[in-house]
This record gives sequence, C-alpha cells and structure tokens, in this order.
Amino acid sequence: GAGVSQSPRYKVTKRGQDVALRCDPISGHVSLYWYRQALGQGPEFLTYFNYEAQQDKSGLPNDRFSAERPEGSISTLTIQRTEQRDSAMYRCASSRDLSYEQYFGPGTRLTVT
Amino acid sequence: AQSVAQPEDQVNVAEGNPLTVKCTYSVSGNPYLFWYVQYPNRGLQFLLKYITGDNLVKGSYGFEAEFNKSQTSFHLKKPSALVSDSALYFCAVTTTRGNTPLVFGKGTRLSVIA
Repeated sequence: GAGVSQSPRYKVTKRGQDVALRCDPISGHVSLYWYRQALGQGPEFLTYFNYEAQQDKSGLPNDRFSAERPEGSISTLTIQRTEQRDSAMYRCASSRDLSYEQYFGPGTRLTVT
Repeated sequence: AQSVAQPEDQVNVAEGNPLTVKCTYSVSGNPYLFWYVQYPNRGLQFLLKYITGDNLVKGSYGFEAEFNKSQTSFHLKKPSALVSDSALYFCAVTTTRGNTPLVFGKGTRLSVIA
C-alpha cells in the first residue's frame, strides 16, 4: 500500500512569505505527527493529531506555526511570515494509533532566502 | 520529561563483525522504545520496537535490540554487519500512557567498512 506522502518535496521561499506543507498519511491511520529535523539531528516534535483533533501543539516554535487536519486525513502545516531560521526538513508521520510505530514521509525541505 | 541519549556520534565497524549502537533513555512511567534508520536522502524507516514482553526484540534487516530496565538502555545490535547497513540510526522513546510525543535521540552514524 501507499506510504505517507508529503508535498512539495522542496520549497524555496522568500523571507516574509507564507508557506503551506501538506501531508497525506497512510489510509486508516488515526494519528498524524509533524516533526522538524535539522541536518544531522533527530526529528524534533512539533504537533500531533488524533483524527481531526490537535492533541498537542507544544512543540510549535511560535504562533507563526499552525497545523490542521480538518477531516481527519490530510494535514497542512502552515508557516506565516517565514524567517531564515525556519529553514529545515519538515517531516510528517502517521500511525494506527498512539501506541504503534510511526511511519514517516519523505519530508519537505524548506529553504527561506 | 522524556529524553534519549545516543552517546556515540559515529560508530565504525568492519563488515562481518558484530555491531552495537547504544541508546539510553529517561521517562516517567513505562517506556515504548523504537529504533529508526535513515539512509542518505531518504525518510526514516522503522526498524523495531519494544512495548512489553521479551526483552530481546527482533526487527528488520537482521537487527535486534535488548531492553534493559535496570540500566534504562535499549542498544541496537546485529551479529554480522553489512556495508549496506551504513546509515544514520535514531533511538526514540514515548510512554505507555500514549499521550506523549515521540522523543528522538540525536542519532548515531554507522559506517561499515568492507
């Protein structure tokens, strides 16, 4: 079956622009997670959803970052007024529920110039 | 707060030799422990997990890991390394309460030399 997909795979944007990153989880997976990964580091938790409910957003760096999953499937991570420090790999993962292993998408490489 | 430590940034091993990648953790409550592997320019792939039961868990590609509660460790092992095992390995932990996010270590780069 299809894995987790993310789009776009690469995004270059100018400082101050808004960006929207999309995640399409594995069909039937209840839980969806967003991470940010700096080069050579482990993924850093941003937020997660169970179905359409955002359960924890404590990892979002500031209020320029937001996420939604309105129908309990596809999720969008939005970064407003991007800054250079937002440049990173953004990874999405999904799992059957909270107690199961997470399956990761290929990531979106965001570069803010 | 949960935390994971991978004390080695880099592990080098000769092909055919056994390998160990170390991981220690800290959680409140019982841990769920995971190992993931990341190949160059690829996403993270799940290798194995410990939830409960036998302390020795077996996973993909011949890897296994041993849960040691007294030492709060979950070291990744493989009896005979392959050059194709060269990659970045991440240990991760969450708790059995199931409402805490997965916390990853910084990763260990494994290099298997022919």
